Amino acid sequence: DIQMTQSPSSLSASVGDRVTISCRASQTMSSYLNWYQQKPGKAPKLLIHGASSLQSGVPSRFIGSGFGKDFTLTISSLQPEDFAIYYCQQTYSTPRTFGHGTKVEI
Amino acid sequence: QLQLQESGPGLVKPSETLSLTCTVSGGSISHNDYYWGWIRQAPGKGLEWIGTIYYNGDTNYNPSLKSRVTISVDTSKNQFSLKLSSVTAADTAVYYCGRIVIGDSYCVDVWGQGTTITVSS
Repeated sequence: DIQMTQSPSSLSASVGDRVTISCRASQTMSSYLNWYQQKPGKAPKLLIHGASSLQSGVPSRFIGSGFGKDFTLTISSLQPEDFAIYYCQQTYSTPRTFGHGTKVEI
Repeated sequence: QLQLQESGPGLVKPSETLSLTCTVSGGSISHNDYYWGWIRQAPGKGLEWIGTIYYNGDTNYNPSLKSRVTISVDTSKNQFSLKLSSVTAADTAVYYCGRIVIGDSYCVDVWGQGTTITVSS
């Protein structure tokens, strides 16, 4: 299985901050990397697919980048509704594994 | 607008079989461009991929669960189902069904709201 390592596991930030979350794969996987946002008691929501493609309806402050083994999710200006847990997911091979999540707190 | 809704018993006894159904509305499950899948999340934990099914019945399971998992599809009802046998407390989780886009990302672009399953006697 491809192991996904997210960092940091949690971070504290303020509204308006630029936030960066990293995801590293245990092997190279082209751009088969997706990002999800999950709020308490809710299902995850797709933000970014294919490493850098913004899902329809998602604000443009969410930016995905990376290729191969190293990927990044950037929130360019943190908004109050962005406080949540963020997960990366590899879809290069099965099983489609997720990172352990990054909790973005106030 | 496509919607997915999980349904199931809520409580399952240890060693029994967990059965869940995902009903797809607002679109057809018999679509060339999508898989349909199950993902779970234990309390306070991250997401775990269980497996997927195509409308023709082709399946792919997580090897860690493969010996206990069966995913099936009923195109006439626009539903797909999950069976997990010999459950233990470790199978207590929120179970989500989802639509997976076939192509360059295999992302889960539509999720059900999730259903909580507790394994307890």
